[in-house]
Order: sequence, then C-alpha cells, then structure tokens
Amino acid sequence: AQSVTQLGSHVSVSEGALVLLRCNYSSSVPPYLFWYVQYPNQGLQLLLKYTTGATLVKGINGFEAEFKKSETSFHLTKPSAHMSDAAEYFCAVSLGKGGKLIFGQGTELSVKP
Amino acid sequence: AAGVIQSPRHLIKEKRETATLKCYPIPRHDTVYWYQQGPGQDPQFLISFYEKMQSDKGSIPDRFSAQQFSDYHSELNMSSLELGDSALYFCASSSQFGTGGGGRDSPLHFGNGTRLTVT
Repeated sequence: AQSVTQLGSHVSVSEGALVLLRCNYSSSVPPYLFWYVQYPNQGLQLLLKYTTGATLVKGINGFEAEFKKSETSFHLTKPSAHMSDAAEYFCAVSLGKGGKLIFGQGTELSVKP
Repeated sequence: AAGVIQSPRHLIKEKRETATLKCYPIPRHDTVYWYQQGPGQDPQFLISFYEKMQSDKGSIPDRFSAQQFSDYHSELNMSSLELGDSALYFCASSSQFGTGGGGRDSPLHFGNGTRLTVT
C-alpha cells in the first residue's frame, strides 16, 4: 500500500537559512508525489508535484523537491527561509485511478527572525 | 482564476443535530473529494465523486452521506453529530479526464474549508 512519512513534526529555522522538510514514501507502483502548504485556517495550496520526467521539481515561492527513487524520498527544500514561509507542510502520494491523495502527518515550519 | 468554493466557512451545531456542507468545484473539473482534518492532524479522505457518481470511499462514518449534483456541486450531509466530528472539512476538485496517468497526476485544488464545531 502507498503511504508517506514526514520526519519531524516541527522544524524551526532562522530567516535566511536553508529549509529542509523530509518526506519518504512507500509505493508499489511508480509514485506521483505532491507537496502542499497550509496556512492557518486556510485550505491546502499546491507547492509542487512530481509525476514523471525530471526528478528535480521546482514549485512556487522558491521551493523545490527532488525525487530520489533509490532513497524513496521526496524532500522539500528552499535555499533561504522567509518569515512568510511559516506554515504547515504536507507531503502526499496519489493513489490509483481517481487521484485520491494520502497525506503525511505534516511538518510545521517556524521561521525565527 | 476560479477556485473551489465551500460554504459555510464556519458552522456551530449541537450534538445530535444535522449539518450540510456545500462545495462548488472549479469549472470543468469532473472530480470532487471530501476530506476531514482534525486539530493538529493530516487531512483524512472521506469520499469522492467522478462525473456525479461515487468513485471512492474512505473513512466516512455511516452517519455521513454525500452526493454530487447535475451542476457538479457537492454536498456533505452529516447527521447525529458527535463532539468528535468537530473538524475542518475540505472539499477539493480535479480534472481526471484525459490525464495520461489515469488521474493520479492531476493535482487536487482545495477550498478554504468549513470549520465545524459541535457543542
């Protein structure tokens, strides 16, 4: 069965520092992977997705993620954190026909001045 | 661009009451999903509809039902509400038709959710 695991429920970085949010997946078929961001009391916004092709995927707000099949990972990075990046981040895998998403547990990102 | 519209944004009900949540998907999207997100938790899949037919079912209680109408809007009906039903309920839509990945690669677009509080 497909699943995702996010390592670290809380990550805190200083403004301007590298952001690294970890996601590992388990899938019996080639995975389609997504990162979503959720601001307080708002819906989930798509940051980026990996389906096929280039393994380094660029998304919105300067985020990118690299699909590494050998490590079954899809970690999210941003070179320089901004205060506005503080939010909850969810990694997700798409299951089967119909596109249902299964989410990881989420990682809350805090950015210190 | 048009987004997924959910109403109401907030809803307060008492135990054993009923609630109806509405979702208006992005125009021309053929699939609607419902998710439940408890406090501090990840969204849990409840149910989905493709072209007005139920396409998948997750951890949706028997007290809940949903349908998609001819205009593609969807409603989640919740009866005999319990305190544990207090959560954020999200609707999402996507376009499954014509995607090479059988729908798996089509991202879900989420609404801002309905916060249900059961007292």
